Amino acid sequence: EVQLVESGGGLVQPGRSLRLSCEASGFSFDDYAMHWVRQAPGKGLEWVSGISWNSGSADYAASVKGRFTISRDNAKNSLHLQMTSLRAEDTAFYYCAKDVSRSYFSPIFDNWGQGTLVTVSS
Amino acid sequence: EIVLTQSPATLSLSPGERATLSCRASQSVGSFLAWYQQKPGQVPRLLIYDASNRATGIPPKFSGSGSGTLFTLTISSLEPEDFAVYYCQQRSNWPPTFGGGTKVEI
Repeated sequence: EVQLVESGGGLVQPGRSLRLSCEASGFSFDDYAMHWVRQAPGKGLEWVSGISWNSGSADYAASVKGRFTISRDNAKNSLHLQMTSLRAEDTAFYYCAKDVSRSYFSPIFDNWGQGTLVTVSS
Repeated sequence: EIVLTQSPATLSLSPGERATLSCRASQSVGSFLAWYQQKPGQVPRLLIYDASNRATGIPPKFSGSGSGTLFTLTISSLEPEDFAVYYCQQRSNWPPTFGGGTKVEI
């Protein structure tokens, strides 16, 4: 059974940084692209970032480009999102999502973690 | 980026009724459209990918159709557990985008 468990969320002041992690199990982690998708409380879904199976390529939504960095450690079956210069509008549940293919470029999100809440407020 | 507009925003139906949800794209996405279900307090679940293919474990009461700019998700006979928010998502153009959702309520 695929399991994705996020951690690292919490309350952070504007301008500060936070690092999210996602521990994966139940599948061959290094065979699939991975993504972060966020959802502001009571709102819709927004794709944030994706990374290819071998970390060869990654990309970001315009709203976070230059502030967030996605990475993965295939030896540890883990995905990370380093978030800097956080803003109030980054407040959301952040979901780790598995892709169905090795490339992140045309994603289908077939498994989702439970999410971790990031609240950016002074 | 491609904008996906879902309608209606809310669909009020009774158990046993048929639900028809629409997703309109601002430009053609071919057949590269997926549908997700999100129940209250739960994470999204993939229902349909590439317009009409049911994901693993999804019952046949869920069906998808359409291509280009207009897509439909049909739930043939609503059961209590089907009352949720449904999102469409395109993967034809970068970046991937989601619609605003349709809430199916009793």
